[in-house]
Amino acid sequence: EAGVTQSPTHLIKTRGQQATLRCSPISGHTSVYWYQQALGLGLQFLLWYDEGEERNRGNFPPRFSGRQFPNYSSELNVNALELEDSALYLCASSLEQGTGSTRAFFGQGTRLTVV
Amino acid sequence: AQSVAQPEDQVNVAEGNPLTVKCTYSVSGNPYLFWYVQYPNRGLQFLLKYITGDNLVKGSYGFEAEFNKSQTSFHLKKPSALVSDSALYFCAVRSSMDSNYQLIWGAGTKLIIKP
Repeated sequence: EAGVTQSPTHLIKTRGQQATLRCSPISGHTSVYWYQQALGLGLQFLLWYDEGEERNRGNFPPRFSGRQFPNYSSELNVNALELEDSALYLCASSLEQGTGSTRAFFGQGTRLTVV
Repeated sequence: AQSVAQPEDQVNVAEGNPLTVKCTYSVSGNPYLFWYVQYPNRGLQFLLKYITGDNLVKGSYGFEAEFNKSQTSFHLKKPSALVSDSALYFCAVRSSMDSNYQLIWGAGTKLIIKP
């Protein structure tokens, strides 16, 4: 069974540009979560999608947005990139709603570097 | 406010010795507690969780964790460390009262097992 896949693995952008990160959940999982893991910090919750709808978002500015497609894959878009956006972005999927109710499966992440 | 603290940025243990990675939490309501591990260049992997029942929870790779309600702790333990246990360990918690099911993550503890 394929795990959660993320692309690209690495992404280098300049300040002010837009970045698009992609995530394919495990087959059958309808919930997708996005997290930011900045150096020295824990995982910061970004967004939660389930059945194509945004269910919850973390404390991030509106330039962080995303969507979930009918096949449950997801995109994270970051507009007007700032240097502080440099981080590892992790996607996770789960069979049940909410990572807090059961185990979540994580992808390997996209390393975004803003220069 | 809900929070998770992992007081040690790094823990060094000799191979074969017991290891402990500490985690304390603060939530309203009952806590649901999780440990995840992140190996280099890989995504996070679920280790174990405590929802209810026996305070000692056994998980993957020989790890276990003990829930201590009075000390609001959920320390991760292993009787005999392996070099391959070297990784970044994250503790996470959510409140049973949180209808959004979102996890609050600790900052992570780097575990180094020396041969």
